[in-house]
Amino acid sequence: SQQGEEDPQALSIQEGENATMNCSYKTSINNLQWYRQNSGRGLVHLILIRSNEREKHSGRLRVTLDTSKKSSSLLITASRAADTASYFCATVRWDYKLSFGAGTTVTVRA
Amino acid sequence: NAGVTQTPKFQVLKTGQSMTLQCAQDMNHEYMSWYRQDPGMGLRLIHYSVGAGITDQGEVPNGYNVSRSTTEDFPLRLLSAAPSQTSVYFCASSQDSYQETQYFGPGTRLLVL
Repeated sequence: SQQGEEDPQALSIQEGENATMNCSYKTSINNLQWYRQNSGRGLVHLILIRSNEREKHSGRLRVTLDTSKKSSSLLITASRAADTASYFCATVRWDYKLSFGAGTTVTVRA
Repeated sequence: NAGVTQTPKFQVLKTGQSMTLQCAQDMNHEYMSWYRQDPGMGLRLIHYSVGAGITDQGEVPNGYNVSRSTTEDFPLRLLSAAPSQTSVYFCASSQDSYQETQYFGPGTRLLVL
């Protein structure tokens, strides 16, 4: 069963707008990771946030983690056409099991 | 570094045939794993290895075998292909532990007729 579930399933935005997607999970985690997958390619790691962290930044990406609500969000600011991809959250439990959600498909319109 | 490489990129099999999907990494990573990706399902873990000579089952291991004779290579064997194994297969590796950043290969698209 999937530990993490992304919301929404799909998102379409205009270039320059911000994109926000959420990940909810069910059990306690060691860390949570976000990955990007361009069409027909492998997954690329974006950010890892640990359970004792609340926010992390990487370029135009901002990830938050709320362990009390068992949720995380990924914000992409000033989106570009190249950000068109599927985004996955992966939760790592304390028993070291890593579980991926079904992903959010983001389309950035020119 | 080539990172994680996978061969073949695409394969068509008939039901009952067997084949091996190859995975290699040149980063000296201890942890390697195999996932399958199906539409709307995300990635599901098939088998993983914490080091040479050590493998374990993931979420969906039935119909697949693995071995890890070297740090670099982690082949996935389909024993008797079934249409339900039509999927995209990804190999991944990580440096220190299962918990850390996973580096993914480009994938193998498998079609079983």
